[in-house]
Amino acid sequence: AQSVTQLDSHVSVSEGTPVLLRCNYSSSYSPSLFWYVQHPNKGLQLLLKYTSAATLVKGINGFEAEFKKSETSFHLTKPSAHMSDAAEYFCVVSPGNYGGSQGNLIFGKGTKLSVKP
Amino acid sequence: ETGVTQSPTHLIKTRGQQVTLRCSSQSGHNTVSWYQQALGQGPQFIFQYYREEENGRGNFPPRFSGLQFPNYSSELNVNALELDDSALYLCASSSRGGVYNEQFFGPGTRLTVL
Repeated sequence: AQSVTQLDSHVSVSEGTPVLLRCNYSSSYSPSLFWYVQHPNKGLQLLLKYTSAATLVKGINGFEAEFKKSETSFHLTKPSAHMSDAAEYFCVVSPGNYGGSQGNLIFGKGTKLSVKP
Repeated sequence: ETGVTQSPTHLIKTRGQQVTLRCSSQSGHNTVSWYQQALGQGPQFIFQYYREEENGRGNFPPRFSGLQFPNYSSELNVNALELDDSALYLCASSSRGGVYNEQFFGPGTRLTVL
């Protein structure tokens, strides 16, 4: 069975300092992994995706994530937080190739990022 | 390119009523998935439609049903509403045959059951 664990429900940083949002996954297959962001009262926006091409994945708005198979982790980082980064972040696993699965996404419970001025 | 749209944006119903939520998929996408996001939780997969047929279902009772139309738009129907059905309902579209299952989400419909 596939699952995702986001290790922090809430992270608070100061503007201009680094961001680290932690995610561990469990998957029987070679997974696809994603990070989505959700601003208040908005839908979900894809930040980045891991698709086995490269272990370090660059996304939008300066975010990156590194896939570490040995640690079953996919942590999200950003060198310098901006006020506009304040939002809920979801780590997501898709269990294997789309063609061989039902295609559902499995979400973590989310990490709320607060950015202090 | 038109993104995923959902209607209505907000809805208030009472227990026992029925509700229909609508979703238009992104141009070029042929698959629609529905998710329920309760307050403070991550989205939970309800079901997915491809070629007008249900193509996978999460742990939701049969009173949650859906349709997909030839233009790939979709409806989510919920019968006999319960208080716990209050949530944000998200629709996502994707292109079957895409290897990485990247799904594009609409803004959601906020359902309140009183």
